[in-house]
Amino acid sequence: DAKTTQPTSMDCAEGRAANLPCNHSTISGNEYVYWYRQIHSQGPQYIIHGLKNNETNEMASLIITEDRKSSTLILPHATLRDTAVYYCIVRASGANNLFFGTGTRLTVIP
Amino acid sequence: EPEVTQTPSHQVTQMGQEVILRCVPISNHLYFYWYRQILGQKVEFLVSFYNNEISEKSEIFDDQFSVERPDGSNFTLKIRSTKLEDSAMYFCATRLAANTGELFFGEGSRLTVL
Repeated sequence: DAKTTQPTSMDCAEGRAANLPCNHSTISGNEYVYWYRQIHSQGPQYIIHGLKNNETNEMASLIITEDRKSSTLILPHATLRDTAVYYCIVRASGANNLFFGTGTRLTVIP
Repeated sequence: EPEVTQTPSHQVTQMGQEVILRCVPISNHLYFYWYRQILGQKVEFLVSFYNNEISEKSEIFDDQFSVERPDGSNFTLKIRSTKLEDSAMYFCATRLAANTGELFFGEGSRLTVL
């Protein structure tokens, strides 16, 4: 199922922007990019999703390249509570399911 | 904010015993899911459920597993005869409608099989 590639781990200083990249070079025209995160062993939490335009909500911003082959999740001011595993998932419009990869473990450092 | 509620938070059972994990979905959601996560591994899809029937299931979801929504509120996962390798966190998730992709996850039920 691995339609996305993410770095295994990243560090970010508290208060700085965390930029998490994701490669999805085989993405199809009807597939969205979703981001979820999992804090410790809690249930995954939806962050944001987009098709081709950049998106922003209260949690994060999603920047999708023009060719849609990669994207970046931006947490503008990372806090210690943002330490989590971040999953980039490609999902077709109307698809029933989400399949998780291994994600990026983000550690926010004081 | 509405949330998905799961019980129990932790269950310890002996190998071969039956286990039922319960989930109370968000009230107006129509699609229900079970995922599991073995310690240190990725979140794996088990089964999805819509309109009182299974809509999709993974290879993991074999004859030992079953799901139902007996009373229109609780959504349950039953493991008939637990094995050691069933030890994992089990997450229930729900989705509002077909044209929305956001899944809302519960906090999980930790199953330990001895």
